[in-house]
Amino acid sequence: DIQMTQSPSSLSASVGDRVTITCRASQGIRNDLGWYQQKPGKAPQRLIYAASSLHSGVPSRFSGSGSGTEFTLTISSLQPEDFASYYCLQHNSYPWTFGQGTKVEVK
Amino acid sequence: DVQLVETGGGLIQPGGSLRLSCAASGFTVINNYMCWVRQAPGKGLEWVSIIYRGGTTYYADSVKGRFTITRDHSSNTLYLQMDSLRAEDTAVYFCARVSLDYVDDPTYYYYTLDVWGQGATVSVSS
Repeated sequence: DIQMTQSPSSLSASVGDRVTITCRASQGIRNDLGWYQQKPGKAPQRLIYAASSLHSGVPSRFSGSGSGTEFTLTISSLQPEDFASYYCLQHNSYPWTFGQGTKVEVK
Repeated sequence: DVQLVETGGGLIQPGGSLRLSCAASGFTVINNYMCWVRQAPGKGLEWVSIIYRGGTTYYADSVKGRFTITRDHSSNTLYLQMDSLRAEDTAVYFCARVSLDYVDDPTYYYYTLDVWGQGATVSVSS
């Protein structure tokens, strides 16, 4: 099974900060990776597919990059509504696996 | 409106069985890939299972042989039959539609969980 190691597990940031989250795959997964945002008590929402393509309606301050084993999600200027948890999900092979998540908190 | 609504959660003793339902509206379940994802209390997301349009299924190692994903066309509903339940199966269970997107090559798809239900809580305890 492919393991997804996500870091950091949590971070504290302020509105306007640039935030970067990393996911590392235990083996190459091409760019078969998506990013999701989850707010407390809610279902996750899609952000990015194919590692770097933004889904329709997602603000352009979100961006993704990477291929193979290293992937990043960047929020260029953190907004109040971005305080949430973020997860990567690989769909290169079964079983699909999520990263452990990153909680973005208010500094 | 495209919507998923899960029902069937509850408290069950270890070793028991439970069936979750996920009723879809605004789209047809059998024409889509559908999956289940769970989240244990205070923990991260865990992918559980997927069913393809053609009926092919895959499972996480942790539930293989105990859980079964199915769907019913007449009721437009996705199901998760959970048998031999364990304490570690305690979680909120989300159903989700899987969309297939492509970037440059129309024959290579990227999978996105694009529509999610609100979640159903399953507690396994004696």
